[in-house]
Amino acid sequence: AQRVTQPEKLLSVFKGAPVELKCNYSYSGSPELFWYVQYSRQRLQLLLRHISRESIKGFTADLNKGETSFHLKKPFAQEEDSAMYYCALTTSGTYKYIFGTGTRLKVLA
Amino acid sequence: GAGVSQTPSNKVTEKGKYVELRCDPISGHTALYWYRQSLGQGPEFLIYFQGTGAADDSGLPNDRFFAVRPEGSVSTLKIQRTERGDSAVYLCASSSTLNTEAFFGQGTRLTVV
Repeated sequence: AQRVTQPEKLLSVFKGAPVELKCNYSYSGSPELFWYVQYSRQRLQLLLRHISRESIKGFTADLNKGETSFHLKKPFAQEEDSAMYYCALTTSGTYKYIFGTGTRLKVLA
Repeated sequence: GAGVSQTPSNKVTEKGKYVELRCDPISGHTALYWYRQSLGQGPEFLIYFQGTGAADDSGLPNDRFFAVRPEGSVSTLKIQRTERGDSAVYLCASSSTLNTEAFFGQGTRLTVV
């Protein structure tokens, strides 16, 4: 069965420090991977998807099929990055998101 | 409206009662999804509509849960004989086509007492 694992429930970093939010998945085929973000009192929104290969708000994520990972990275964290981050997967030709349990990022001043 | 709208935002009900949760998707979006998010968990898929039909309801936990989308726009998630374990945030999302970005609503927080 497909599964998404986010091993860290909480990640605290200081402003200006690098950030890496881990995401591993299990799926034998070709997945599509996404990162969703939920800021305080806001709805879940798409941050980036691997097929776009773009950087949003300074965040990047590379799909590593060998390690089945899709870690989210940012070189210099900002206080406004504090939020809940969810990694999600869809399998090719389907529409169901399979979400991880999420990681809460706290950026300290 | 500008985004996916869900009503009510909060619902408290007694065990055994029937509840309806409403989702108003972004205008023109043909795909509509329902997810359930329990405390400390990520959203879990419940059901997907393409137009008026439920294309996949494999995530509905049991036959107490049912959803409709009679005119291909607004959807209602119905829960009969609610149980305390049904307490969660119920999220609705919509997208314009398959495999495009899904836009989420704010969710309905259901509490069964």
